Amino acid sequence: QVQLQESGPGLVKPSQTLSLTCTVSGGSISSGSYYWSWIRQPAGKGLEWIGRIYTSGSTNYNPSLKSRVTISADASKNQFSLKLSSVTAADTAVYYCARDRGSAYQYWGQGTLVTVSS
Amino acid sequence: DIQMTQSPSSLSASVGDRVTITCQASQDINNYLHWYQQKPGKAPKALIYDASNLETGVPSRFSGSGSGTDFTFTISSLQPEDTATYYCQQYDNLPLLFGGGTKVEIK
Repeated sequence: QVQLQESGPGLVKPSQTLSLTCTVSGGSISSGSYYWSWIRQPAGKGLEWIGRIYTSGSTNYNPSLKSRVTISADASKNQFSLKLSSVTAADTAVYYCARDRGSAYQYWGQGTLVTVSS
Repeated sequence: DIQMTQSPSSLSASVGDRVTITCQASQDINNYLHWYQQKPGKAPKALIYDASNLETGVPSRFSGSGSGTDFTFTISSLQPEDTATYYCQQYDNLPLLFGGGTKVEIK
């Protein structure tokens, strides 16, 4: 059974870079035909797709965040990561990592709350 | 970008009622439309993929239909454990987009 777990600082100062890691167990991020994604959800609001990295290493980003987002993977640690630069209070949200097979997201992390505040 | 319009934003129904949620895309997304259930404090859970296919282990009272731009999600007989927010998601074009959500409550 594939499991995903987000980790990283819960508090980030404005203008700094938010960095989160998703650790995958029960399957390799470098095998199969899967997309490994980041999705966020501000409190009381809907879901926003941030971007994804494919098994091959290719990436896609939401244009609304593209200038500030980098998603990368470390196969040796079976992890993939999110970096979001120049954060503001509007980036405060629960951040989820998730996996899909080119269809619906079957596997999700539990989510991690990141608050942007000085 | 494709726009996803989900309605209603909330509804209240009795146990045993039939509940219907709609999702409309601003352009043809074929059948690349998924439905999720999210309970408070939890990650979303996929219920329906590719418009009408039930994910493994999901009760058969959940169903989906539609193609092109108009999609429907139905709970045939609402149960207390179905209290949640439901989201549609299009998978036809990037960026992947979710609908605004429908909060389902029990009367």
